[in-house]
Amino acid sequence: AQKITQTQPGMFVQEKEAVTLDCTYDTSDPSYGLFWYKQPSSGEMIFLIYQGSYDQQNATEGRYSLNFQKARKSANLVISASQLGDSAMYFCAMRERNYGQNFVFGPGTRLSVLP
Amino acid sequence: DTGVSQNPRHKITKRGQNVTFRCDPISEHNRLYWYRQTLGQGPEFLTYFQNEAQLEKSRLLSDRFSAERPKGSFSTLEIQRTEQGDSAMYLCASSPYEGQGVITNEKLFFGSGTQLSVL
Repeated sequence: AQKITQTQPGMFVQEKEAVTLDCTYDTSDPSYGLFWYKQPSSGEMIFLIYQGSYDQQNATEGRYSLNFQKARKSANLVISASQLGDSAMYFCAMRERNYGQNFVFGPGTRLSVLP
Repeated sequence: DTGVSQNPRHKITKRGQNVTFRCDPISEHNRLYWYRQTLGQGPEFLTYFQNEAQLEKSRLLSDRFSAERPKGSFSTLEIQRTEQGDSAMYLCASSPYEGQGVITNEKLFFGSGTQLSVL
């Protein structure tokens, strides 16, 4: 079974608007971390934001925020005020305490920002 | 901070040949990871090092694959007798954590990868 699901293969957003990228996860481990990475065409994976399973508040990093709904096992990324440079692949990932160093990634969502 | 460096950026080889990739992590980062990414997929874990010790390997890492980190600094990933199915992006990542075990908030710093094409 897929541990990380990203149901949107591709998304379009108008410049300066907000966009939400969906991520759902599956784990029975009570301790885990959720991450979002951006991968532009250059190939480098760029860390965006982190949410711990025990964190009470949703994480925020500049224009990025994570809508964490633990009971629904979802960790959606919200990008506010989209910029043309936000066009890239976005990956949701999870690290579980009891499952070794396997940092599990989802299949990704390709975001295209339109001028 | 020069970031994680990977060489070469691209490698084209014929089936059956051996290839070697190099990764230079961020200076003094203790942990180093190798991932493989195929088109349209997220990265898949291959192996990781804590300093010079290789502590975990995925079942994806067949006996044709070998990774080393001889002095706890740079690492090499060698693929022997390459097959067309080995064609992928090979990503290296490092992190500064020194402790043992799994740290759920461990942030990985990735390089730009080596794109391997096996003809």
